[in-house]
Parts: sequence; C-alpha cells; structure tokens
Amino acid sequence: DAGVIQSPRHEVTEMGQEVTLRCKPISGHDYLFWYRQTMMRGLELLIYFNNNVPIDDSGMPEDRFSAKMPNASFSTLKIQPSEPRDSAVYFCASSTSGYNEQFFGPGTRLTVL
Amino acid sequence: AQSVTQLGSHVSVSEGALVLLRCNYSSSVPPYLFWYVQYPNQGLQLLLKYTTGATLVKGINGFEAEFKKSETSFHLTKPSAHMSDAAEYFCAVSVTGGGNKLTFGTGTQLKVEL
Repeated sequence: DAGVIQSPRHEVTEMGQEVTLRCKPISGHDYLFWYRQTMMRGLELLIYFNNNVPIDDSGMPEDRFSAKMPNASFSTLKIQPSEPRDSAVYFCASSTSGYNEQFFGPGTRLTVL
Repeated sequence: AQSVTQLGSHVSVSEGALVLLRCNYSSSVPPYLFWYVQYPNQGLQLLLKYTTGATLVKGINGFEAEFKKSETSFHLTKPSAHMSDAAEYFCAVSVTGGGNKLTFGTGTQLKVEL
C-alpha cells in the first residue's frame, strides 16, 4: 500500500493567494483527518470526515479555511486568502472504524510570504 | 472531554540509557491510548497502542508502554536508547463514541547523546 499521499510536499505563496492542499487516503479507510502543526500551537485537528461527510470542523480557524471530500479517495483543504500566520505543516491522516490507529501522510509544508 | 498531558517537552538521555517519556490522561470513560513518533520532516508514525486486554503493550523499535488505570498513566519506555531514537514523541487518547478522533499531547522531544 502506498500509504496516505499528500501534495504538494512544499508550497510557497504570497499573502492573499489561494492555496489548495490535496490528500489521498489509504484505500478502504473511511475516516479522514486534517491537522496543522506549528511550533507555537503544536498539532491541531482542523476537521475530519467519515464516509466523505464532515463530522467535526470546530478546529477550522476561520472562514478562510474550507475542506471537501468529494469521494472516498480524495480530499482538499483550501485557504483563501492565505496569510503569513497560516504558515505551518499540514498533515492528512486516515483510519478505519473501530478506533484503529490513524495513518499520517508526509505533510505539506506551507510558507506564506 | 478527554485530554493528555506529557510531562517534559524535552528529554535528554545517553546512548544505552533507559528512555522514559511520561504521559497522563484524563477521561471519564475507558480510553484507547497511543504513542506516535515523528522524525524530522516526516509524518507521525504509530509506535504502539492500548485498546483493551493486556496492560503492557509492546511496540516497534523496542518501545513499550504500560497502561495504569489507577495512576491514569501510559508512560513510554525503552531499556536502551539508540541514536536513531532521537525524535519527537506524542501521546494520544481516544474514547468510545469519539468518532476515531485522537486528542494529542504537546509532544516530547527526545535527544540521545553519545
């Protein structure tokens, strides 16, 4: 299995631009999670989906952030407009039902100038 | 709501010495507990997990952890540290009805010195 795939691995953009991060979960997993990791705030859960339906988006920082999961094999996290304080590493993770472990992707390092 | 506290944001040990990383949890229902490791510029990788059954759990790379309900603890240990163990370690908790959601601790950076 290829594991959780994220793209791009690195993104550098300018303030005000739209950023789209992509995630392909492990086949057969029905949960998908988006996290943000920074030195100041550590690892934060932004949103998670079950069977492509958003279950809890209480961690999404503000309306500039949105996430979609149009099918079981693809999810996006969009930031528009981006701001320097959005600079972080964004992780996607997936898991199966039954409180199994979450499998993390390699992350996308976002830098907003 | 459940929570996790990791004592010590930085721990330093000598190569060959015992590794002990502390984790205490808070939960009103029986928890599921996890330890993850993150190497530089990588995602998190599962080291071990406790769900039910035996309270001493063995994981990868020689690590183990013991679930102690009376102490609400799930400390991570390894008898002999190796240079390759240098990484950040995260304790996490989930509970029944929590929708597979994990609550992570703030992490402990482990440094291994010669």
